[in-house]
Amino acid sequence: NAGVTQTPKFQVLKTGQSMTLQCAQDMNHEYMSWYRQDPGMGLRLIHYSVGAGITDQGEVPNGYNVSRSTTEDFPLRLLSAAPSQTSVYFCASSLYPRWEQYFGPGTRLTVT
Amino acid sequence: AQTVTQSQPEMSVQEAETVTLSCTYDTSESDYYLFWYKQPPSRQMILVIRQEAYKQQNATENRFSVNFQKAAKSFSLKISDSQLGDAAMYFCAYRSGDAGGTSYGKLTFGQGTILTVHP
Repeated sequence: NAGVTQTPKFQVLKTGQSMTLQCAQDMNHEYMSWYRQDPGMGLRLIHYSVGAGITDQGEVPNGYNVSRSTTEDFPLRLLSAAPSQTSVYFCASSLYPRWEQYFGPGTRLTVT
Repeated sequence: AQTVTQSQPEMSVQEAETVTLSCTYDTSESDYYLFWYKQPPSRQMILVIRQEAYKQQNATENRFSVNFQKAAKSFSLKISDSQLGDAAMYFCAYRSGDAGGTSYGKLTFGQGTILTVHP
């Protein structure tokens, strides 16, 4: 199993550009999530999904969109990048009943 | 909403010694899960230990153990016989187990504690 994969690992965007961060898992996990990590603030939940076709907002959803058309994939879209979205982004998946999250390697995004 | 607080931004320990990292949380739920994650400089998030709230017995994983005090809403991590490879950022995290609640599926993290291990 590859586990949770994320692409790209690094990305630089200009303000106003859009892009999609890709996330895939091959463990047949129902639950998938996106987090952002900023210094001194831990990881904050952006969006999550409890299964294909079902998504919901987390703590900091503004400026981001998600969709979940398959169990395996959960892409995160930045609609119009802003410098405040400079961060490290993690995708994670988990499965009932143990609930521990399996994390991808992260994407470091810089918006100039 | 649930909150998780790690009051120690940084901790240090001598190799082979024991260190305890603190975590407190706030919730009105009775069914939940608590986790400690390790993040080394590689950035990869690694699960260290897991505790179900309904279990009174403290979880242990080799050199890692927790002190779970449900009434006090405290969940500390003890690392015994510290090794250089234990140096990392450690995060405490909370997950609701209430399938009917609005927090279901969400994982809430503390701010993290940077652990330095001195040889």
